[in-house]
Amino acid sequence: AQSVTQPDIHITVSEGASLELRCNYSYGATPYLFWYVQSPGQGLQLLLKYFSGDTLVQGIKGFEAEFKRSQSSFNLRKPSVHWSDAAEYFCAGEDQNTGNQFYFGTGTSLTVIP
Amino acid sequence: GAGVSQSPRYKVAKRGQDVALRCDPISGHVSLFWYQQALGQGPEFLTYFQNEAQLDKSGLPSDRFFAERPEGSVSTLKIQRTQQEDSAVYLCASSRDLGGTDTQYFGPGTRLTVL
Repeated sequence: AQSVTQPDIHITVSEGASLELRCNYSYGATPYLFWYVQSPGQGLQLLLKYFSGDTLVQGIKGFEAEFKRSQSSFNLRKPSVHWSDAAEYFCAGEDQNTGNQFYFGTGTSLTVIP
Repeated sequence: GAGVSQSPRYKVAKRGQDVALRCDPISGHVSLFWYQQALGQGPEFLTYFQNEAQLDKSGLPSDRFFAERPEGSVSTLKIQRTQQEDSAVYLCASSRDLGGTDTQYFGPGTRLTVL
């Protein structure tokens, strides 16, 4: 079955430290992959997406993600976290063949401490 | 409008009541999606429209759930005879083009609480 897994339910980092949020996917073929951020009371905001080509994808707010086929992973990274990055982060995948069903992970909650 | 809007933002219903949740997608967006997000979980796909056509409703949890988009713009998700397990945030998203490569823009959601 198609799925996206986020192994870390909650992560705490210090402001200014680097961040990596893990995402693993299970699809028959290479899916489209996305990272979204959700702040309290806000809608989901797209950070970045991967369809094909360069496996290192740059997004908004200084985030990047790397697609690694050998590890079935699409981890999100940021070199220096800001307090405003505290939010819920969701990885999502979409089957290239069906093109309409998103499968979201269960999310990783990020806390940033001063 | 500038983004996807949803109304109401909050809805409290007594068990057994019917509810209707509205989604106004970004003007001109062809595709529209509904998701259900339970507390502490990621959004789960419910249904998908291309214009007025409902092309995929495989995620609707039961026949109490019904969605429509009669004129290819505004969409309504209706839940009949609500149950406590229906309590969740219902998210709507729209995208400009057909197919899966275009970005989905999400609304703020409607938080449904069934007592």
